[in-house]
Amino acid sequence: EAGVAQSPRYKIIEKRQSVAFWCNPISGHATLYWYQQILGQGPKLLIQFQNNGVVDDSQLPKDRFSAERLKGVDSTLKIQPAKLEDSAVYLCASSLGASGNTIYFGEGSWLTVV
Amino acid sequence: SQQGEEDPQALSIQEGENATMNCSYKTSINNLQWYRQNSGRGLVHLILIRSNEREKHSGRLRVTLDTSKKSSSLLITASRAADTASYFCATDGGDKIIFGKGTRLHILP
Repeated sequence: EAGVAQSPRYKIIEKRQSVAFWCNPISGHATLYWYQQILGQGPKLLIQFQNNGVVDDSQLPKDRFSAERLKGVDSTLKIQPAKLEDSAVYLCASSLGASGNTIYFGEGSWLTVV
Repeated sequence: SQQGEEDPQALSIQEGENATMNCSYKTSINNLQWYRQNSGRGLVHLILIRSNEREKHSGRLRVTLDTSKKSSSLLITASRAADTASYFCATDGGDKIIFGKGTRLHILP
């Protein structure tokens, strides 16, 4: 079974530039998550989708971050404009359902903003 | 917040010894999960324990849950070098799953 795919794996951009990350979840998984993980900390949920609807985006900085899940499958996370404090690993994950299910993570997209 | 908080933040033990990590949380939960993260990689699910369960085993892993104390522990027996990683608890309150800050475990040869 293929895992959660993410790209790009690494990205370096200058502040005020934009960046987009792509995620392909495990086939059949209804729930998709985007987490931000700053070095030395735990993952922080940015946005959670159930199929193509948003369940929780309370911690998503909506003035600069946006995310969509096309047709309830793939998802993109965009940052525009980027700030230095956005330097982190962006983890995409998926699960069969929202609660009581194992969450499967991708390898992450490492963002450095200089 | 229902966020779990792991303790200790960092732990170094000799290979072959047992490692114990704890997780405390603040609000009621449906279940609690433990994940492992190797350096530079994504998180890998280890074990899920439901709120009506008190103990669960998986290989060298033993997880306990005390809902009255709002705490959980993860025991890794007979540790190996490959167990060196960060370990996170994730609390599931039914509406969202929140991760703690993790325990960094280092197994010394």
